[in-house]
Amino acid sequence: QVQLVESGGGVVQPGGSLRLSCAASGFTFTNYGLHWVRQAPGKGLEWVAFIRNDGTNKFYADSVKGRFTISRDTSKNTLYLQMDSLTVEDTAVYYCAKDRSSGWKYFDHWGQGTLVTVSS
Amino acid sequence: DIQMTQSPSTLSASVGDRITITCRASQNISSWLAWYQQKPGNAPKLLISQASTLQSGVPSRFSGSGSGTEFTLTISSLQPDDFATYYCQQHNGYPLTFGGGTKVEIK
Repeated sequence: QVQLVESGGGVVQPGGSLRLSCAASGFTFTNYGLHWVRQAPGKGLEWVAFIRNDGTNKFYADSVKGRFTISRDTSKNTLYLQMDSLTVEDTAVYYCAKDRSSGWKYFDHWGQGTLVTVSS
Repeated sequence: DIQMTQSPSTLSASVGDRITITCRASQNISSWLAWYQQKPGNAPKLLISQASTLQSGVPSRFSGSGSGTEFTLTISSLQPDDFATYYCQQHNGYPLTFGGGTKVEIK
């Protein structure tokens, strides 16, 4: 069965950096696009970034463009989100999510999430 | 960017009720709309894609309809397990956007 397990969350000061990981299993990693979606405490869902199955195309929300970088390592079946220049508005649970294929643009499986808290 | 507006934001209902949640898109998204259910402390779960395609394992009391800019999620007979927050999401193009959510509460 599909499993997505996020890690790397924690507390970081404003202006700091953090790298999230998402270990994937139960499906052919190289066949599917992957996303990051976040949810601020008590708020709704916000899509953050997408990477195509072969890593050639990446898309970002305007709120993170230029600060966050999505990447994937096929040798480790792992998705990453490098987050730089963090602000308090980036505080959220970050979910990795599998695309239905590599272009359907919706999420058929989700991880359990990892909490990122940006605070001084 | 495509704005997604859900209504109501909160809905109070009883077990057995038929409920409908509305999602409106700021521009035509054809049938590229998904619905998710989220319970407190859990990740969202995909219910419906392409406006009306029920995902495997999702009970048939859930249904979706609509196209263009107006969509609905209907639960034909509310069950105790259905009390949750529901989100719509357009999957027409990037940036992907969600509605603000509809919390279904026990009346």
